[in-house]
Amino acid sequence: EAAVTQSPRNKVTVTGGNVTLSCRQTNSHNYMYWYRQDTGHGLRLIHYSYGAGNLQIGDVPDGYKATRTTQEDFFLLLELASPSQTSLYFCASRGLGFYEQYFGPGTRLTVL
Amino acid sequence: KTQVEQSPQSLVVRQGENCVLQCNYSVTPDNHLRWFKQDTGKGLVSLTVLVDQKDKTSNGRYSATLDKDAKHSTLHITATLLDDTATYICVVGDRGSALGRLHFGAGTQLIVIP
Repeated sequence: EAAVTQSPRNKVTVTGGNVTLSCRQTNSHNYMYWYRQDTGHGLRLIHYSYGAGNLQIGDVPDGYKATRTTQEDFFLLLELASPSQTSLYFCASRGLGFYEQYFGPGTRLTVL
Repeated sequence: KTQVEQSPQSLVVRQGENCVLQCNYSVTPDNHLRWFKQDTGKGLVSLTVLVDQKDKTSNGRYSATLDKDAKHSTLHITATLLDDTATYICVVGDRGSALGRLHFGAGTQLIVIP
């Protein structure tokens, strides 16, 4: 069974704070994605990667950096967090099969 | 521009009733369509995936249809239970995207009352 884990599951920070969200997949998948989910919107793509060291910009990248250190690990960095980044963040991975994206359980981030 | 539209936005039904959720999309070319269930603040649970030009699937009390010509899908839930209370999200895969881009609807919030 494909597995994607995220940490932390909940995070509270203050405006201007520095936050790192972590994602690990044990599926040997090439593609990994970061999304945010807000009320009234579908999940929106922030950044994605198709391998270690590779980074691609998604649809809503402003205020976010990402880093793919290994095949398994993909990090989302908020260096100066703002209240508008309060959201539910999902990580996902995909192998060669086009139909399957496996989602992590989500990280709830609150920026005060 | 929103490429996946779901209706209704929210729906209240009584336990035991049936309901139908709609998904219309404009994603081109479309590859597949998947329905997810999401409990409040939780992760996404896949219910079914539809692939063929005119497709039907069944998974217990959940059944779904897809018509790629009409770019339309329905999710039917029969004999609803209180545990069906959740947001149901329609997701369309973009066949023209090498990164496997997915387009997400905003979801239909289903509330099942006793």
